[in-house]
Amino acid sequence: GQNIDQPTEMTATEGAIVQINCTYQTSGFNGLFWYQQHAGEAPTFLSYNVLDGLEEKGRFSSFLSRSKGYSYLLLKELQMKDSASYLCAVPSMDTGRRALTFGSGTRLQVQP
Amino acid sequence: DADVTQTPRNRITKTGKRIMLECSQTKGHDRMYWYRQDPGLGLQLIYYSFDVKDINKGEISDGYSVSRQAQAKFSLSLESAIPNQTALYFCATSDQRQGGYNEQFFGPGTRLTVL
Repeated sequence: GQNIDQPTEMTATEGAIVQINCTYQTSGFNGLFWYQQHAGEAPTFLSYNVLDGLEEKGRFSSFLSRSKGYSYLLLKELQMKDSASYLCAVPSMDTGRRALTFGSGTRLQVQP
Repeated sequence: DADVTQTPRNRITKTGKRIMLECSQTKGHDRMYWYRQDPGLGLQLIYYSFDVKDINKGEISDGYSVSRQAQAKFSLSLESAIPNQTALYFCATSDQRQGGYNEQFFGPGTRLTVL
């Protein structure tokens, strides 16, 4: 399988900006996904990057560098409701890239 | 109405019992997946199916089996439940799109406790 590394926990202040990093090792590449998951709930799709660069979507942006095996999720103007886990995922080599391998997730705590 | 539904939402069972978790979707997607999630961890793939006749093992299929009864239904069975199968189970679906990889849509999850 692939190695996907994310920080386990992060804390940030309401209204601030936070960057959540993800590094991965995979041969071949079919894109990287970011999902948000509130405690006890289903993951929901945030972004998909297949080309290098920054994709902006409202308060959330996602960056990819394929040569470095690196991505980050940028959250601006943090709100309390952004407290959640953020999972990055890449197509799984073990499944012939037919399914996703998920990182363990980064639990973000937004404080007042 | 939810596009991806799972039943039951919560289940408590005893070691050795056989149980089935069901997943239904109204999204018309061909691809369906079963994941488990342990506290504080990411999602681990159990089984996946790209159509009714295509069933594939994921990274942690031992102790589990699946059935794809129709395009819209994908069931996960634990033949003889054991305590370390206590986890949150998610079903997911995705569409088939050429040249790219599609996002997965997740059901609400089934919280399973094996005593």
